[in-house]
Amino acid sequence: DGGITQSPKYLFRKEGQNVTLSCEQNLNHDAMYWYRQDPGQGLRLIYYSQIVNDFQKGDIAEGYSVSREKKESFPLTVTSAQKNPTAFYLCASSPRTGESNYGYTFGSGTRLTVV
Amino acid sequence: GQSLEQPSEVTAVEGAIVQINCTYQTSGFYGLSWYQQHDGGAPTFLSYNALDGLEETGRFSSFLSRSDSYGYLLLQELQMKDSASYFCAVLSRSNDYKLSFGAGTTVTVRA
Repeated sequence: DGGITQSPKYLFRKEGQNVTLSCEQNLNHDAMYWYRQDPGQGLRLIYYSQIVNDFQKGDIAEGYSVSREKKESFPLTVTSAQKNPTAFYLCASSPRTGESNYGYTFGSGTRLTVV
Repeated sequence: GQSLEQPSEVTAVEGAIVQINCTYQTSGFYGLSWYQQHDGGAPTFLSYNALDGLEETGRFSSFLSRSDSYGYLLLQELQMKDSASYFCAVLSRSNDYKLSFGAGTTVTVRA
C-alpha cells in the first residue's frame, strides 16, 4: 500500500543537539511538506519541496533545515538554533502543489520533546 | 498572507448534526479543503471545494461561498468516532498554491 512513513514516532532531544526526522513516501508524489503542530493549534508550514534538489522556506523555517536528494525522501533537521522545538511534526505529500482535489497525504507524525 | 477563522470547540450528542463554519481572508483564492485529525494521529483529507455550492460525501458535506469567503463542513448522524479535530485549509495563488490551515475545531460527541 502506498503512503508516507515518518520515523521515529517519539524523539527526545537534549539542549544543543541537532536531530533529524525521517519522511519517506512511495506515492510517487512530486511535492512534499513539513508542518509543525503545537497543542490546540493548527498546522504551520516549515519547509516544502516541489521537486528533487529544490525546496523553499515556509512560514516558520528558522532553526530548521531540509534536503530533497531523492523524490521519495524529505528529511527535516531540527537544529540547536530552534529555541522551542517541542512539538508534533507532520510530513505530507501531494502529486504537486496546487493539486488539491485529492488532498495532502500525511504521515503519522513524530513527537519531539526537549529534555 | 492568509487568515482563517473557525470555532475552537463544538459539542453534540450522537445522531445530531454539527456545522463547522470557516471564514477566510486571502488573495488569489483557489479552493477550500477540510481535514479530520483524531487525537495524536495524522490529518486525513475529507473534502475540497473550488466552486460555490455543496459537495456531499456520505455523512459529511462541505459548502463554499466564494463571494462571502465562507465555507462550512456539515457532519450528519454524528457517531462517537467523529470526535476529532477538524481543520479548514485554503489553497491560494498568493501562497504558491500551498495549503494554509486554520486552528481547528474540536468536535466532542456525547452519548
